[in-house]
Amino acid sequence: GAGVSQSPSNKVTEKGKDVELRCDPISGHTALYWYRQRLGQGLEFLIYFQGNSAPDKSGLPSDRFSAERTGESVSTLTIQRTQQEDSAVYLCASSLGGFGGSRYEQYFGPGTRLTVT
Amino acid sequence: GNSVTQMEGPVTLSEEAFLTINCTYTATGYPSLFWYVQYPGEGLQLLLKATKADDKGSNKGFEATYRKETTSFHLEKGSVQVSDSAVYFCALSDTGGFKTIFGAGTRLFVKA
Repeated sequence: GAGVSQSPSNKVTEKGKDVELRCDPISGHTALYWYRQRLGQGLEFLIYFQGNSAPDKSGLPSDRFSAERTGESVSTLTIQRTQQEDSAVYLCASSLGGFGGSRYEQYFGPGTRLTVT
Repeated sequence: GNSVTQMEGPVTLSEEAFLTINCTYTATGYPSLFWYVQYPGEGLQLLLKATKADDKGSNKGFEATYRKETTSFHLEKGSVQVSDSAVYFCALSDTGGFKTIFGAGTRLFVKA
């Protein structure tokens, strides 16, 4: 079946503008995750959703970052008043959620490369 | 809080050499442990997992054993191939929810 998709694949924006990044998870996956990966670095956890709820928002770097999920499906990550340090690849992943040993196995999308000029 | 520490790279090996990438973790409770791999130009994908102490995850010739006594989950492969060149990430998932912490990643180069 279809994997996790993200759009756009690349986004170049001017400092101070707002951007929206979209993630379509695998159908039936109740858990959805957002990560940030700066060049040459590891993954930085931003937020996860279980259903449409986000129990843990502690990873969001600042109040300029927000995320929502609707219909237990699509999620958007919004960055307001972008700064140059926001330049990174933003990765989305989904997992089955629920119970059982496979609930944490994450399937990743290809990412959105954000460049703030 | 929870954390994952893995050996710094890059690691450079000749084909057919033995590979070990060390990973240790700090966590409360009983997290699930994972190794993910990112091949050049591709997205992250799950390599193997272990969900409880003493479990051994294995896939594509790679193995890792969940050692609670040493809080470790070291990745091993007996004979690496050029096609194994990639970045390897150790990760843990909080048993109380779905927050997942990744290590910084270890880049592996395998020479023919």
